[in-house]
Amino acid sequence: DADVTQTPRNRITKTGKRIMLECSQTKGHDRMYWYRQDPGLGLRLIYYSFDVKDINKGEISDGYSVSRQAQAKFSLSLESAIPNQTALYFCATSDLGTSYGYTFGSGTRLTVV
Amino acid sequence: QKEVEQNSGPLSVPEGAIASLNCTYSDRGSQSFFWYRQYSGKSPELIMFIYSNGDKEDGRFTAQLNKASQYVSLLIRDSQPSDSATYLCAQGGSEKLVFGKGTKLTVNP
Repeated sequence: DADVTQTPRNRITKTGKRIMLECSQTKGHDRMYWYRQDPGLGLRLIYYSFDVKDINKGEISDGYSVSRQAQAKFSLSLESAIPNQTALYFCATSDLGTSYGYTFGSGTRLTVV
Repeated sequence: QKEVEQNSGPLSVPEGAIASLNCTYSDRGSQSFFWYRQYSGKSPELIMFIYSNGDKEDGRFTAQLNKASQYVSLLIRDSQPSDSATYLCAQGGSEKLVFGKGTKLTVNP
């Protein structure tokens, strides 16, 4: 099994719908992150969390919310999806600060129509 | 605002050649630097990290760090078509990594 698991892998949803992307990890890392990736724009940080009581906004948090249900689970919600939220979404984890980099999940390709 | 700059490419090299990927960064306080490889539609995969000035070699990959000039590079020797991917440079921070936008590398058979 993968160390960082994202579900679903692919999702097509309609404008205005609420959607949740889920991330779970077995690495025992405290820190979890949500990024989106768009062609030409690179990886952009949406939210990150250092533990279940600590949630921080990233550079593009508008239109998104998160929940850290447990050390191992970090969910991203789009409250009312819009077409420009169509992107590839990645969850990542890290330990010991960022000294060893991130481990990424396999990604969720989200299309909003 | 911490920034990491990479040439977006595409960089095209023939099979067997050395591919050289470069990255500059703005935060002089950063202590750790990373290279990720990302195939199209897939997640980034960590291939190298470097903390100290100088070179670090791992198989066909060499990472080079020059803190005085604030650049980090990745050399890929004996490039293979399977090395064709986008390479992301990142600098470490106390809370999160800062990524460049990536350089697309194509290795031509």
